[in-house]
Amino acid sequence: EVQLVESGGGLVQTGGSLRLSCAASGFTFSAYWMNWVRQAPGKGPECVSRIDSDGSSTNYVDSVKGRFTISRDNAKNTLSLQMNSLRVEDTAVYYCVRGSAIQKNSNDYWGQGTLVTVSS
Amino acid sequence: DIQMTQSPSSLSASVGDRVTITCRPSQSISNYVNWYHQKPGKAPKLLIYAASTLQKGVPSRFSGSTSGTDFTLTISSLQPEDFATYYCQQSYIYPWTFGQGTKVDIK
Repeated sequence: EVQLVESGGGLVQTGGSLRLSCAASGFTFSAYWMNWVRQAPGKGPECVSRIDSDGSSTNYVDSVKGRFTISRDNAKNTLSLQMNSLRVEDTAVYYCVRGSAIQKNSNDYWGQGTLVTVSS
Repeated sequence: DIQMTQSPSSLSASVGDRVTITCRPSQSISNYVNWYHQKPGKAPKLLIYAASTLQKGVPSRFSGSTSGTDFTLTISSLQPEDFATYYCQQSYIYPWTFGQGTKVDIK
């Protein structure tokens, strides 16, 4: 069974930093693109960042470029998101999500999410 | 970024009704459209990918189709567990973007 378990969320002040982690199991982690998708309260999902299977290629939504860094450790089956210079508008539930290239890049498995709250 | 215009934003329906939700992308995206539903406090769940392919384990009352530049999700006979918010997503050009959502509630 595919499992994605996020951790690291919490309350932080504007300008602060947090590091999110995702523990993956139940599939060959090193074979898949992985994503971070966030959802602000009452809003739709927003794709934040993605990383290819071996970590050599990354992409970011414009609003987080230069502030967030996605990384992975295929030996430990873990995905991370380092978030610096946090803003109030970064407040959201952050989901670790598997990407399926053979299924037109759809997001086929999602974690339960971890809440990040940025206060001023 | 590619914009996905989804309609309607909400609808009220009864168990057994046929429900249709539409998305129109701001540019051509081939068939890189996926559909999800989300229940309160839960993560989105993939229903359909590549515009019309049913994800494994999803009931056959869900279907996806294309008409011109529009993409449509149809629920042939609404069931109690289908009351949720539905989102389309394009996965053609990163960042993948979602529609605004359609909340389906009980009439």
